[in-house]
Formats: sequence, structure tokens, C-alpha cells
Amino acid sequence: SYELTQPLSVSVALGQTARITCGGNNIRSQSVHWYQQKPGQAPVLVIYRNNNRPSGIPERFSGSNSGNTATLTISRAQAEDEADYYCQVWDSNSAHVVFGGGTKLTVL
Amino acid sequence: EVQLVESGGGLVQPGGSLRLSCATSGFTFSSYNMNWVRQAPGKGLEWVSYISSSSGTIYYADSVKGRFTISRDNAKNSLYLQMNSLTDKDTAVYYCARDSGDSGSDDYWGQGTLVTVSS
Repeated sequence: SYELTQPLSVSVALGQTARITCGGNNIRSQSVHWYQQKPGQAPVLVIYRNNNRPSGIPERFSGSNSGNTATLTISRAQAEDEADYYCQVWDSNSAHVVFGGGTKLTVL
Repeated sequence: EVQLVESGGGLVQPGGSLRLSCATSGFTFSSYNMNWVRQAPGKGLEWVSYISSSSGTIYYADSVKGRFTISRDNAKNSLYLQMNSLTDKDTAVYYCARDSGDSGSDDYWGQGTLVTVSS
């Protein structure tokens, strides 16, 4: 089945740019979605279909997808961006939703 | 306002059964596909099951296939997950989530209900 690989953790200085990667075989052919989850809370969709922001999501969140890597970019990182982030795709071959293992973002 | 509220979680013994419910409001439930996603304590998100708006298409994760049954009642705006033959590996917070209809992303999630499988 399709697998998505994320780094366990990423650190970023306050106000700087954080990049969280999601690796998968030819992932560029997939629509990748990203979720933010804070402790004790449900996940929140922050990017859908690679690079689209739902209403209410700050413009500093953006996404890209190329080759074997999709990337969530958080510009001008704020303290409130500290959270776990998950990438997700729909694997049509197995008819399964697939999540990456998650990345803990620390804002220093 | 879109709302999804899960219920039915609790403590159950290994081998036991539990039925989760997800009551929805604020949108036309019958027009949306739905998912169950779970999260074991301290672990990542794991997709459990999908059901289409008409119940015509259903999918399960390999880890629950044959033990869990997803269903919905569009007249009651509710989603269900019947869980049988539970093991400690099923211990998790279970979320219901609305499929946005755009490439399989889930745009609204409930707050989750905790299922603990233990003797």
C-alpha cells in the first residue's frame, strides 16, 4: 500500500519559515492535504489539493507538490503554529486514505 | 455552523463490542461522504473507514476489515461505527470527519470519543 514519510520533528525560530516535507512514490500525481493538530484538539485542515487554503486559514500557510515530495510551508511562523502536522492522500489503488506519520513543529 | 459530535466511547473488555455515533448538524448530511479516523494515545492519525453519501460505497482499513461496520442514517443526520472483536490495539480516540468532496480532504472533524479496550 502507499506510504507517506514525514520527519518526526521540525524546529523554526519565531518569525522564520518552516518547511515540513511529506515523501511518497511519485507523490506529484496525488492530491495532498495537510492537517494541523494541537494537543487535545481535533485535526484542522490547513491545505487541500496540494496548495489550496480553506477559508479562515492564514495566508502564511502554503503548500507545494513535486516529484516525490510534498511540502507544507509556514512563513513568518507564530507561536500558535506549534502543533503536529499530518499529510494525507487518497490511494486509489488500495481504496484507502493514507496519513503520514506526523511532524511535530516547535517554534523557538 | 457545521457540527459533528461523536458519542458511544468508553471502556470495553477485549473481545467486546461498541457502537459509536456521530450526530451532525449545520449542513446537508445526505450530500456528503464521511470518514472515521482514529488516534491511539500518543500516536498519529489512522484512517478507519469511509462511506459514501448514499451508503453505496464503503471502504475499510485492513486493520479493522471484518470487525468494524460503518453505516449512516441520512434521515437522522447520523454516522455510525459498529466495532466488534475489539483488542487493545483498537484503543484510541475516534473522530468522525466530513469529506469535503474535493480530492478526499476532510474539512470538518468532530471532537472525538475515546475507546479504551482493557480487562
